[in-house]
Amino acid sequence: AQRVTQPEKLLSVFKGAPVELKCNYSYSGSPELFWYVQYSRQRLQLLLRHISRESIKGFTADLNKGETSFHLKKPFAQEEDSAMYYCALSGLPTTNAGGTSYGKLTFGQGTILTVHP
Amino acid sequence: KAGVTQTPRYLIKTRGQQVTLSCSPISGHRSVSWYQQTPGQGLQFLFEYFSETQRNKGNFPGRFSGRQFSNSRSEMNVSTLELGDSALYLCASSWTSGRAGKDEQFFGPGTRLTVL
Repeated sequence: AQRVTQPEKLLSVFKGAPVELKCNYSYSGSPELFWYVQYSRQRLQLLLRHISRESIKGFTADLNKGETSFHLKKPFAQEEDSAMYYCALSGLPTTNAGGTSYGKLTFGQGTILTVHP
Repeated sequence: KAGVTQTPRYLIKTRGQQVTLSCSPISGHRSVSWYQQTPGQGLQFLFEYFSETQRNKGNFPGRFSGRQFSNSRSEMNVSTLELGDSALYLCASSWTSGRAGKDEQFFGPGTRLTVL
């Protein structure tokens, strides 16, 4: 079974401080991991994915297979970073009469990040 | 390009009733997934449709069903509603149901269902 754990439900930092949102996963194969973000009154959107190894809005995340972690980091938090952040995993494909699908995302419980001025 | 749309945005039903929610994916997207979001359970996968066929299903009872039409629009139905079905139901679309890492899922605004 695949599982994603975000141990912190709430995280508060001050503007300009470093921030790290933790994500640990349980999966036996080679996972694909994502961070999704939901700003106030906006829809859920992809922030970044591990295979692209890019930095979005100053955020980075490195997949650590040894520690089964995919923590999200930003060196200097901004007030506009305040949002709900979800870590998600796409794992085992499923195959049925309709074909093979990788479309299922398993989400963590989410972390509400608040950046104070 | 228009995003994923969901109708209705809000719905109030009573226990025992049934409800149908609709999702229109981004033009050209053929995969539609549904998720249930609740404060207690978070985001949970319901099912995924691709080219009118269900390709993946989460651990929900048979009261939850869905379908996809030839234009890729999708509906989900919940029969015999229970109080615990109150949730935000999110729909997401992507080009295919290939590797999710290559096919970003775009989410709609959700339908807020309240069961009284």
